[in-house]
Amino acid sequence: QQQVKQSPQSLIVQKGGIPIINCAYENTAFDYFPWYQQFPGKGPALLIAIRPDVSEKKEGRFTISFNKSAKQFSLHIMDSQPGDSATYFCAASLLQGTYKYIFGTGTRLKVLA
Amino acid sequence: DGGITQSPKYLFRKEGQNVTLSCEQNLNHDAMYWYRQDPGQGLRLIYYSQIVNDFQKGDIAEGYSVSREKKESFPLTVTSAQKNPTAFYLCASSIRQAGEQFFGPGTRLTVL
Repeated sequence: QQQVKQSPQSLIVQKGGIPIINCAYENTAFDYFPWYQQFPGKGPALLIAIRPDVSEKKEGRFTISFNKSAKQFSLHIMDSQPGDSATYFCAASLLQGTYKYIFGTGTRLKVLA
Repeated sequence: DGGITQSPKYLFRKEGQNVTLSCEQNLNHDAMYWYRQDPGQGLRLIYYSQIVNDFQKGDIAEGYSVSREKKESFPLTVTSAQKNPTAFYLCASSIRQAGEQFFGPGTRLTVL
């Protein structure tokens, strides 16, 4: 009930490609779904987040698609660049209560020049 | 500049020794968190605190202890009871009523 399943574990794309990372959750009470980007040896940084009352959110080249009925959400990176090479984590949270995040296991993305 | 600082960046410890990792934030956030990161396992919650002088165990609290005597500080002690302490430790904070957690740069602990 508290797990967030993330796939794929790793991903390699050519520059300009559109990598897609998927996450699935079980607990329908989750109401906040952030994506974090982490470079080696650094702390994660918030990339984009979505609430379940919208199906899509765009910020620059990053888009979250959200399917409430399927309990799935995904991150798309448009026109990917070598600088996007990093590990990406999805998470789910309850904004009311403890504000704990449940993180996915991460996707290591490599964008080839 | 507002943010979260963690020190030291790298820490080496002998088996059987306790060690304390520092986390300080000047964002005026109420909530603070400690995570452990291992390869292929994502981030796992060790302890969290929503207000001063109060904290709760996360998913993997055994072998760890924390204190929250000041709003801006949330130190983590890795005790000798932690069987496999070598990992990357991340501290985070958030405004109590909002979702975004801000992370520090992390401390890499290696047990020799």
